[in-house]
Amino acid sequence: QKEVEQDPGPLSVPEGAIVSLNCTYSNSAFQYFMWYRQYSRKGPELLMYTYSSGNKEDGRFTAQVDKSSKYISLFIRDSQPSDSATYLCASQGSSNTGKLIFGQGTTLQVKP
Amino acid sequence: KAGVTQTPRYLIKTRGQQVTLSCSPISGHRSVSWYQQTPGQGLQFLFEYFSETQRNKGNFPGRFSGRQFSNSRSEMNVSTLELGDSALYLCASSSGGRPGGGYTFGSGTRLTVV
Repeated sequence: QKEVEQDPGPLSVPEGAIVSLNCTYSNSAFQYFMWYRQYSRKGPELLMYTYSSGNKEDGRFTAQVDKSSKYISLFIRDSQPSDSATYLCASQGSSNTGKLIFGQGTTLQVKP
Repeated sequence: KAGVTQTPRYLIKTRGQQVTLSCSPISGHRSVSWYQQTPGQGLQFLFEYFSETQRNKGNFPGRFSGRQFSNSRSEMNVSTLELGDSALYLCASSSGGRPGGGYTFGSGTRLTVV
C-alpha cells in the first residue's frame, strides 16, 4: 500500500464547475501537506501547502487537511480550461529531509 | 529571479551506458532533491543534498548516485542503464531552512533508454 493514495482519474468537468480533488495517507508522522499542479512537459508547480489540520484558501483554491481521518482535499472554484493539468498531493514528515511523498496524481480536464 | 534549471532537457542512451544529469537550484537555495517520475510509479524520491552532504536517500539501487557542489549545483548519475530507468528526472530546490513549503521543481530531464 502506498503511503499517499490518489485517484488518477481522469476527471472531466465543464468550465465554471467546482472541482474536488482528494487524497488519503497512512503515515501519522506526516505534518505537511502540499498540492502541486503539473502541466504536460513541465515540472510540478506548488499551489498550496498546509501544516497539520485545517483549511487554507488562495484565490479560487482551497486546501483542507483532516488529520483525524488522514484525508487531504483541494477545491477549485470557478474552474477554467487553463486549470486542465495533473494535480499531485504530497506529504512530508516534520524533519526537513527534502523527501516528499507524492500521490499518483489526478488528471483534470476542464471543458469550455 | 531564475528558477531551477535542469540540463539536458532530453537524453537518449543505450542500455548499459551511464548518464549524468545536472540541476542548478534557485540562487540562495542550499537543498536539492531528486525525483524519478514514471507513469506506473509516479514521483519517487531519490535523494536530497544539503550543503554538499547527502541528507536523505530513497529506495533506489546503488546505480543511482548524486553529489552537490559548493555552489549548490547538483548532479545525479545513473550507471549501467536499464530500460526501466526511462523516466522524467526532476530536481527540486529549497532554502532547506524549513520543511513543508518552498520546494520549487525544474522542468526535468526526459531520459529514454533504448
